[in-house]
Amino acid sequence: GENVEQHPSTLSVQEGDSAVIKCTYSDSASNYFPWYKQELGKGPQLIIDIRSNVGEKKDQRIAVTLNKTAKHFSLHITETQPEDSAVYFCAASNDYKLSFGAGTTVTVRA
Amino acid sequence: KAGVTQTPRYLIKTRGQQVTLSCSPISGHRSVSWYQQTPGQGLQFLFEYFSETQRNKGNFPGRFSGRQFSNSRSEMNVSTLELGDSALYLCASSLARLNTEAFFGQGTRLTVV
Repeated sequence: GENVEQHPSTLSVQEGDSAVIKCTYSDSASNYFPWYKQELGKGPQLIIDIRSNVGEKKDQRIAVTLNKTAKHFSLHITETQPEDSAVYFCAASNDYKLSFGAGTTVTVRA
Repeated sequence: KAGVTQTPRYLIKTRGQQVTLSCSPISGHRSVSWYQQTPGQGLQFLFEYFSETQRNKGNFPGRFSGRQFSNSRSEMNVSTLELGDSALYLCASSLARLNTEAFFGQGTRLTVV
């Protein structure tokens, strides 16, 4: 089955700086890669996704890149703000289910 | 537009008991998937329902089951509860199957004592 590895497990950044989270996947058939943000006491919230026919996607301060050859994808958050503090999960899907990374706890220091 | 609604939010059960969790998907969404979230194992796929049929099941024992109704609402049941079943159970709603956006509810926090 699909195996998704996510790094780093924790990330502390100064407000205004950028944050980068990287994931690798094992199943070359995976073709959909969403990112989720989970705040304490809440369910995961879809923040951005990318499909295998696209190399990069951007939505305001958030961008995701995909390298299908190397089987890795990354989340970039620019101009971080305190409200970006949360746990972020990457996921990969090739059909019916999402396989998640272990999560990255992002702390934005004021 | 209402999001995914899961009830109850919190549950405390005793070992050996059974429990039923409920999920109401986003209006118009026909696919419902369930995930278990624990600190040790992370987010793991339980099963997927589409058009009232279980389409796929994850690597969980038969004590975990579910169903979907004609209005797309879904329930999952866990019988003979074990301490290790303590987790956050999340329901995800999708418009269709196969790599479409999945939106999660807030989850049901189950504690087995």
